[in-house]
Amino acid sequence: DAGVIQSPRHEVTEMGQEVTLRCKPISGHDYLFWYRQTMMRGLELLIYFNNNVPIDDSGMPEDRFSAKMPNASFSTLKIQPSEPRDSAVYFCASGASENEQFFGPGTRLTVL
Amino acid sequence: KQEVTQIPAALSVPEGENLVLNCSFTDSAIYNLQWFRQDPGKGLTSLLLIQSSQREQTSGRLNASLDKSSGRSTLYIAASQPGDSATYLCAVNTGFQKLVFGTGTRLLVSP
Repeated sequence: DAGVIQSPRHEVTEMGQEVTLRCKPISGHDYLFWYRQTMMRGLELLIYFNNNVPIDDSGMPEDRFSAKMPNASFSTLKIQPSEPRDSAVYFCASGASENEQFFGPGTRLTVL
Repeated sequence: KQEVTQIPAALSVPEGENLVLNCSFTDSAIYNLQWFRQDPGKGLTSLLLIQSSQREQTSGRLNASLDKSSGRSTLYIAASQPGDSATYLCAVNTGFQKLVFGTGTRLLVSP
């Protein structure tokens, strides 16, 4: 398996633009997670899905953030409109039941 | 609210030394604890997972211990190598797969 795949790896956009981050989890994993990492706040869980259903989105900072998982092999995290304070590295991770979480390489987002 | 702290924040050692990284958490009601490694500009690599019922896990030169009652875990690295240089993160699973991450320890192993 190729592991968790994220795209794009880097994204530079201007304030106010829509940003869509993509994730393909490891096949067979029933959990998918979106995290954000910043110098100030470290790694924070934004939202996670179980069997494609959002379970906990309490970490989503604002209504500008939304996430979907239309099927078991694909998820998106969308920011609309983007702001400079959204600049961070966004990680997707997947896991199976009570086991380890496996992280993707991350998307480095810069909002100018 | 679960809080996870790692000490030290940074550590610099010469190659060959054995070292211990510390992780403490405030709420002992955890499902498991996971140690990760993060290289600069890269994602996280899972190193070891300890279930709440376990006391330790070993993988190669790495050994992780868990004392749930005292809210502590340690990661022991034997015979450190320059390739071990990275940031090490511990994360506790508070239930329903929610991970709370520690602040990390930046390790530098010099040749």
